[in-house]
Amino acid sequence: GAGVSQSPSNKVTEKGKDVELRCDPISGHTALYWYRQSLGQGLEFLIYFQGNSAPDKSGLPSDRFSAERTGGSVSTLTIQRTQQEDSAVYLCASSFGTSTLVLTEAFFGQGTRLTVV
Amino acid sequence: AQSVSQHNHHVILSEAASLELGCNYSYGGTVNLFWYVQYPGQHLQLLLKYFSGDPLVKGIKGFEAEFIKSKFSFNLRKPSVQWSDTAEYFCAVNSNNAGNMLTFGGGTRLMVKP
Repeated sequence: GAGVSQSPSNKVTEKGKDVELRCDPISGHTALYWYRQSLGQGLEFLIYFQGNSAPDKSGLPSDRFSAERTGGSVSTLTIQRTQQEDSAVYLCASSFGTSTLVLTEAFFGQGTRLTVV
Repeated sequence: AQSVSQHNHHVILSEAASLELGCNYSYGGTVNLFWYVQYPGQHLQLLLKYFSGDPLVKGIKGFEAEFIKSKFSFNLRKPSVQWSDTAEYFCAVNSNNAGNMLTFGGGTRLMVKP
């Protein structure tokens, strides 16, 4: 597609359930980022994938959060046993570059608004 | 680890006023710098970027930013704001020596009064 696509756009889930959020990056982009934006807060880094390198998971807030990127393209962010504090907009972005060379800016998807009730 | 600081969390201006939003970063190596904007109800989009060359960068909608390496700064400016500039503005940096990792500042909410 022309841009970064995220699904679903909105997700309401009950506390304790698991959720999966999907990101389709721009074709050819090697870097993929997940961020979280809570109400009134800035962008909180979660995880970063670059090519075949091991992902940078330093931003994941707890072991309930995990992400994978299959085939260097689509990424899934999984939140297990969701809590109310997980409610936020989850943003995915992709860019073109290598681990040592930045070639483009990051392009963002529309985000997934997660509400845990 | 690199970090980005945006000093102003909330800014309120009247139309036609001049704008300057501060951004400082911590990393001392080669950096790429960005300003993103998020209009109400919309997704993040790029306002301008600096990769190399002229440190004064022009972006969309009359915005510009100046990279001052000695001050580790990349402040955003606009000579005369409009009501439609009401948005949240994010500064971001990545470095060629930090695995292309993109780090954002905390954001600045700008409200322009008509």
